[in-house]
Amino acid sequence: AQSVAQPEDQVNVAEGNPLTVKCTYSVSGNPYLFWYVQYPNRGLQFLLKYITGDNLVKGSYGFEAEFNKSQTSFHLKKPSALVSDSALYFCAVRDRFRSGYNKLIFGAGTRLAVHP
Amino acid sequence: GAVVSQHPSWVICKSGTSVKIECRSLDFQATTMFWYRQFPKQSLMLMATSNEGSKATYEQGVEKDKFLINHASLTLSTLTVTSAHPEDSSFYICSATDFSYNSPLHFGNGTRLTVT
Repeated sequence: AQSVAQPEDQVNVAEGNPLTVKCTYSVSGNPYLFWYVQYPNRGLQFLLKYITGDNLVKGSYGFEAEFNKSQTSFHLKKPSALVSDSALYFCAVRDRFRSGYNKLIFGAGTRLAVHP
Repeated sequence: GAVVSQHPSWVICKSGTSVKIECRSLDFQATTMFWYRQFPKQSLMLMATSNEGSKATYEQGVEKDKFLINHASLTLSTLTVTSAHPEDSSFYICSATDFSYNSPLHFGNGTRLTVT
C-alpha cells in the first residue's frame, strides 16, 4: 500500500535559517509525490510535486524538495525561513492503484514554527 | 491558477438538523472531487470520492447515508451532513481535479462545522 511518513510533529527554526521538513514514502511502482501547506482554518495550498525528471524540484514561495530514491525520501527545504512560513505542511503520495482512480494519501503533517 | 470555492466557510447548526456544504471549481471542469475531514491537529481523512454524474465512492467506515454527496455537474459537488450530531463537528475540506496528466489537487478553504 502507498503511504508517507512525516517523522516530526513540529519543526522549529529561527528566521533566516534554512529549514527542512522530512518525508519518507512507501510505494509500489514510481512515486508521485506532493507537498502542500495549510494555514489555520484554511484548505491546502499546493507547493510542489515530483513526477519524474530532476530530483530537485522547485516550487512556490521559495520552497524546494529533493527526491531521493535510495532513501525513499522527499524532504521539503527552504534556504532561508520566514516567519510567514509558519504553518502545517503535508507530504502526500498519489495512490494510483485503488479502485481505478487517483487519490492522495497524506502524511500526518508537520507543524513548522519560524521564530523571529 | 485553478480555484476551488467552498461554501460556507463556517456553520453552526443544532443537533438533528442537516447541513449542506458546496464545493465549486471556478475555472476548470472537475471530473472528480474529493471530500476530506480533518480533526484538530490531525491529518486529512478521505471520506469519499465523487465523479460527475455517478454515485460517490465512500471510504471504509464512512456512512453514505450520513454524508450524502452529489456531483451533478462538472463544477459543483455538495456534501450534506444529515441529522448532524456533535461528533460530526469537524473541518471539512473538498478538493477537485480535472485529471489532466499529473495535475495536482486543488483544495477549497474548508468548512468548519459545529453542531450544538
